[in-house]
Amino acid sequence: AQSVTQLDSQVPVFEEAPVELRCNYSSSVSVYLFWYVQYPNQGLQLLLKYLSGSTLVKGINGFEAEFNKSQTSFHLRKPSVHISDTAEYFCAVSVLYSSASKIIFGSGTRLSIRP
Amino acid sequence: DTGVSQDPRHKITKRGQNVTFRCDPISEHNRLYWYRQTLGQGPEFLTYFQNEAQLEKSRLLSDRFSAERPKGSFSTLEIQRTEQGDSAMYLCASSPPALTGPSYEQYFGPGTRLTVT
Repeated sequence: AQSVTQLDSQVPVFEEAPVELRCNYSSSVSVYLFWYVQYPNQGLQLLLKYLSGSTLVKGINGFEAEFNKSQTSFHLRKPSVHISDTAEYFCAVSVLYSSASKIIFGSGTRLSIRP
Repeated sequence: DTGVSQDPRHKITKRGQNVTFRCDPISEHNRLYWYRQTLGQGPEFLTYFQNEAQLEKSRLLSDRFSAERPKGSFSTLEIQRTEQGDSAMYLCASSPPALTGPSYEQYFGPGTRLTVT
């Protein structure tokens, strides 16, 4: 069965500092990997996705993630964070079944930016 | 705005009452998903529709829950005899037909936050 583990429930960081949010997944088959962001009282917005090809994926708002198959990781990074990046971040895998897919989410990492 | 919309955004109800939520997917998307998100957790899959057919239901979807998509467009999620444990954010997502786009990409609505008192 597929699963996603986000190792940090909360990550505090100072504004303009770099940040890394960790994600490990478990799967016996090839997966598609995603990072979503959720601002307070809002739905989920796709930050970036890994489907195939280059293991370094660039997304919106200056975020990027690297797929590491041997370590089954998909960590999210940003070289310099802004106050507006304060949000909950979810790592997810897409599981194919029949003709559609189901997304399995991690428990989330709350990123808090200190001025 | 042609994104996924959900109504209402917030619902407060008393235990034992019935509630119904609506989701309008992106117009050309034939696949629709419902997820539930409790406080401090990631969303959990509830059910999936392809056009009007409900093709999969999670074990999380008890007998008190029912979802429909009668004309293959909007969908409703009804919870009967609500319990305090039903308090959560209910998220809807949609994805395009396989011929016109990858089915693994899902676009999420803003969610309906349910509070059962």
